[in-house]
Amino acid sequence: AQTVTQSQPEMSVQEAETVTLSCTYDTSESDYYLFWYKQPPSRQMILVIRQEAYKQQNATENRFSVNFQKAAKSFSLKISDSQLGDAAMYFCAYRSAGTSGSRLTFGEGTQLTVNP
Amino acid sequence: GAVVSQHPSRVICKSGTSVKIECRSLDFQATTMFWYRQFPKQSLMLMATSNEGSKATYEQGVEKDKFLINHASLTLSTLTVTSAHPEDSSFYICSARGDNFNQPQHFGDGTRLSIL
Repeated sequence: AQTVTQSQPEMSVQEAETVTLSCTYDTSESDYYLFWYKQPPSRQMILVIRQEAYKQQNATENRFSVNFQKAAKSFSLKISDSQLGDAAMYFCAYRSAGTSGSRLTFGEGTQLTVNP
Repeated sequence: GAVVSQHPSRVICKSGTSVKIECRSLDFQATTMFWYRQFPKQSLMLMATSNEGSKATYEQGVEKDKFLINHASLTLSTLTVTSAHPEDSSFYICSARGDNFNQPQHFGDGTRLSIL
């Protein structure tokens, strides 16, 4: 079974600075997807960024980018120019590819605080 | 983008009551729907996966007679918490996916269930 580990229960960053959230995973599969979800106090799950394992290029979405290291099974999220609205719980998630890969496996989450 | 509507957003009821939570996909056909439970400051725990027209597949440790899931149409799945007790109080979130396995899941806004 796949597992996802987020070793940082809490992180803080000053507004306008950069922060990196860590995520590692364990799998024997070669084809899969990785995601970062944001859950603000409203508790809505918001997809931040997604990475296909077969792509070597790291995904980017505006101020959000990932460092995907397939061999190391590492998938960190970098938030640049942090804003107060970035404060939330961030979850890393894994999903197998293909017809059998529909369920998401979540990490424990990292609570991000943005200080003004 | 794809929208999933979950209703109600909050329920407060007496112990012994059965509570039904609805999850609707508004602009796509949800071949598969997922039900999660989330305790405060914890990750999402998958309870069950349902495919339209089929019986739900429950995760280990989840009582299927306690948490009844119906997915009778491609746009609606319901979770009924039967004879709810205070320990069933939690945040319940649904998500839905279409028949394209490569597309991400779309989440509802969640239901906060409080049993007195």
